[in-house]
Parts: sequence; C-alpha cells; structure tokens
Amino acid sequence: SQKIEQNSEALNIQEGKTATLTCNYTNYSPAYLQWYRQDPGRGPVFLLLIRENEKEKRKERLKVTFDTTLKQSLFHITASQPADSATYLCALDIGSKAAGNKLTFGGGTRVLVKP
Amino acid sequence: NAGVTQTPKFRVLKTGQSMTLLCAQDMNHEYMYWYRQDPGMGLRLIHYSVGEGTTAKGEVPDGYNVSRLKKQNFLLGLESAAPSQTSVYFCASSRRGGNNEQFFGPGTRLTVL
Repeated sequence: SQKIEQNSEALNIQEGKTATLTCNYTNYSPAYLQWYRQDPGRGPVFLLLIRENEKEKRKERLKVTFDTTLKQSLFHITASQPADSATYLCALDIGSKAAGNKLTFGGGTRVLVKP
Repeated sequence: NAGVTQTPKFRVLKTGQSMTLLCAQDMNHEYMYWYRQDPGMGLRLIHYSVGEGTTAKGEVPDGYNVSRLKKQNFLLGLESAAPSQTSVYFCASSRRGGNNEQFFGPGTRLTVL
C-alpha cells in the first residue's frame, strides 16, 4: 500500500530563516502532489500543487520541489514569520479522475516560528 | 460564499447510539469526501462521492454509511457508534477532474463514550 512519511517531530525555527519540510513516499507514482496548511481546530487549507513533470513550484514565500526519482517532495518557507506557525500536510493523488481525485495524506509536520 | 460547512461542531455519544453528520458546500463541486483525523494517523478517507446519487468506499469505511441525495450535501452516518470512532471528522469538496484542490470544512469533534 502507499505510504507517505513526514517528519513527525515539530520544526522549531527562528523568524526570518527558511523552514524546509520533507515528504517521502513509497509504492506509488503520483501524477501530482499537494501541500496543505492546518491550524489548530481548523480544516486543512490548500497551498500548492506540483505535477510530476514539474521540478519546482513557487507561490510568494513558499517553494515546493518534486523529485519522482527520489520519491520526495520538499516544502520551503522562506523568510519565515510567526504567522507561518501551523501544521503542514502533504498529499498524493491515489486515483484517476474517474476515481474521484482521491488523496492520501501524510501525518503532517508542525512548524513553530519563534520571534 | 460559505464554502464547506459542517454540522454539528461537537457531539458526545454513548456506545451504540447513532448520529448523522451533515456536510454542505455552495461551490457547485462534483466531488465530496469524508475524512477522519486522529493523532499520529493523519487524515484518512472514509467515503467519497463523485456526483449526486453516487458514493464509494475509501480507506476506512467500516462502521460508516454515506448518502449524496443532493449535489450540495454529503451525509455521514454512524449506525452504532463505538469508542474507536472518537475522532475529528472533516468533509471536503473539489471540482471534477484530477489536479484539483480540496476545500475542507471546519470539522466535527466526536467523542464516543
């Protein structure tokens, strides 16, 4: 079965530094990968999507890379701010359009940005 | 637009009781999903629907039933609640087709005693 691993340990980082999160997967070849942000007591919110033929995607201070050979995605938050403190989830597609755009989620990595 | 809404926000049940969780979306999305989130387990798909009148099983469907009688609503039912169903439940929706982001509701925290 598909397995998605994210670092379960919280990432503590100083404001202004770059936070780098890792998402590793096995036993699957996803066509795309998504990253979500989740704040305590709230539902996940979509951040970025990267396709298998894309090496890198950027959105403001966020950057995602996707290495299908290593079966790994890296998520970077540059110039981090305390407001970036949250849990970040990666998700892989596990089905075709006919199968309903299903996603498998990793367990998430909590990020704490200290002022 | 309200996006995805869920009712109730909190609920406490006794073992063996039944209940229905309601999810509604106002974005005219074709696809809808029910997940549960447990500490250390991440989000796990319970059931999903690719359109009005259709439902399908996800990763952890046992003990749950769903219905999608109207395009905008997706109901999750627990016929006989068990303590193992204590969790936070999230509903989500997305447009038809792959590569589409999912929009999540605020969640329902359910405790089964």
